[in-house]
Amino acid sequence: NAGVTQTPKFQVLKTGQSMTLQCAQDMNHNSMYWYRQDPGMGLRLIYYSASEGTTDKGEVPNGYNVSRLNKREFSLRLESAAPSQTSVYFCASTGVYEQYFGPGTRLTVT
Amino acid sequence: EDQVTQSPEALRLQEGESSSLNCSYTVSGLRGLFWYRQDPGKGPEFLFTLYSAGEEKEKERLKATLTKKESFLHITAPKPEDSATYLCAVWGGSARQLTFGSGTQLTVLP
Repeated sequence: NAGVTQTPKFQVLKTGQSMTLQCAQDMNHNSMYWYRQDPGMGLRLIYYSASEGTTDKGEVPNGYNVSRLNKREFSLRLESAAPSQTSVYFCASTGVYEQYFGPGTRLTVT
Repeated sequence: EDQVTQSPEALRLQEGESSSLNCSYTVSGLRGLFWYRQDPGKGPEFLFTLYSAGEEKEKERLKATLTKKESFLHITAPKPEDSATYLCAVWGGSARQLTFGSGTQLTVLP
């Protein structure tokens, strides 16, 4: 039981490049989430998926897209990376109410 | 709008020196209050869920309590390995996701 896994762990992009962050959970949870964490800003919700086939915007969705591929997988795509998207990205899934987080992806955009 | 404020922002303790972290919240219809521990470079690790005022939960040297306006995380006789950032989050009745505080960075000196 791996919980929530994320790939890659680290990534450096140039402005304008695109990439997809991958997330998978093996806890059979319906809801999955993408957050970004910046110093002094705490965890901010980018997008979430309450169930397979549905996605909704969170607090800071601009510049991002998501895909809920199936019940296990929820990906986050940056179509044209900007330096303001330099951050640590966490994926999470929810049991009853408590959320379980992945190890994070540290993204730098130069 | 749900709000969570954690204090202090940072706390330094000597090993064995007990203290408390505070999480004040405003929420419409609390469905749950959550405490997480986050180590540098890792994702938040779930510690406790509290559902109603008066509830308490314990785990090793940590004890979480809940009132109608705030929660406390009491740390008894802390050890250096308790050093981490502690995050508080709430799930309000009208919300579809958690609202996180900015965290308290705890350092326990040997």
